[in-house]
Amino acid sequence: EAGVAQSPRYKIIEKRQSVAFWCNPISGHATLYWYQQILGQGPKLLIQFQNNGVVDDSQLPKDRFSAERLKGVDSTLKIQPAKLEDSAVYLCASSVNSGAGETQYFGPGTRLLVL
Amino acid sequence: AQSVTQLDSHVSVSEGTPVLLRCNYSSSYSPSLFWYVQHPNKGLQLLLKYTSAATLVKGINGFEAEFKKSETSFHLTKPSAHMSDAAEYFCVVSGSGNTPLVFGKGTRLSVIA
Repeated sequence: EAGVAQSPRYKIIEKRQSVAFWCNPISGHATLYWYQQILGQGPKLLIQFQNNGVVDDSQLPKDRFSAERLKGVDSTLKIQPAKLEDSAVYLCASSVNSGAGETQYFGPGTRLLVL
Repeated sequence: AQSVTQLDSHVSVSEGTPVLLRCNYSSSYSPSLFWYVQHPNKGLQLLLKYTSAATLVKGINGFEAEFKKSETSFHLTKPSAHMSDAAEYFCVVSGSGNTPLVFGKGTRLSVIA
C-alpha cells in the first residue's frame, strides 16, 4: 500500500515570497492533516480536513496560510507571504477517519527554509 | 485540554542495554496515547498506541509501553537497544472525539556501539 506522498521535499525561498506544498493521502483515508514541525519541537497541527470540509483550523495563521482539499483527496498548503519564522518541516498525515485512537500515517515532509 | 511532557530531551544507551523513554500526560478525558519514531529526514512512524484496552501495549521492533493511570505515565521501553533504534521519539496524546493529537517535544535516543 502506498504511503502519504508529499512534494516538494525541500524548498528554499526568500521572505515575502509565496510557496505551496502538495499532499496525496493514503487511498481511502477520509481525514487529512497538516502539521508544522519547528526544529527541536514536536509537530503542531495546522489544519484538519474531513473529506473536503475543514474540521479544525484553529491554529492556522489565516493571514498568511491557506489550505484546501477541493475534491476530498489531495491537498495543498500555501504560505503567502512567507516569514523567517515559517522555516520548518511541514508534515502531511492521513487517517481512515477522525476520532480518538485513530492512527495517523505521516508523509516524509517538506523542509522549508525562508531566508 | 491535553498535554504531554517528555522528561528527557536526550537519552544515550549502549547497544544491547535496555531503553527507557519517559512520558507523562495530562488529559481531561480518558486518553489515547501513542509513541511515534522519526528517523532523520523521514516521516513519523507509529510504534504503538494505547486506546483503553490492555495497559501493556506491544509495538513494532520490540518496543512496548505501559499505561499507568495513577502515575499519568506512558513510558516506552525496549529490553535491548540496537543501533538502528537511534532516532527521535515522540509521545503523543489524544482526547475524545475530534480533539487533535498533542505531541511532546521529543526525546533523541543515541545508541553507542
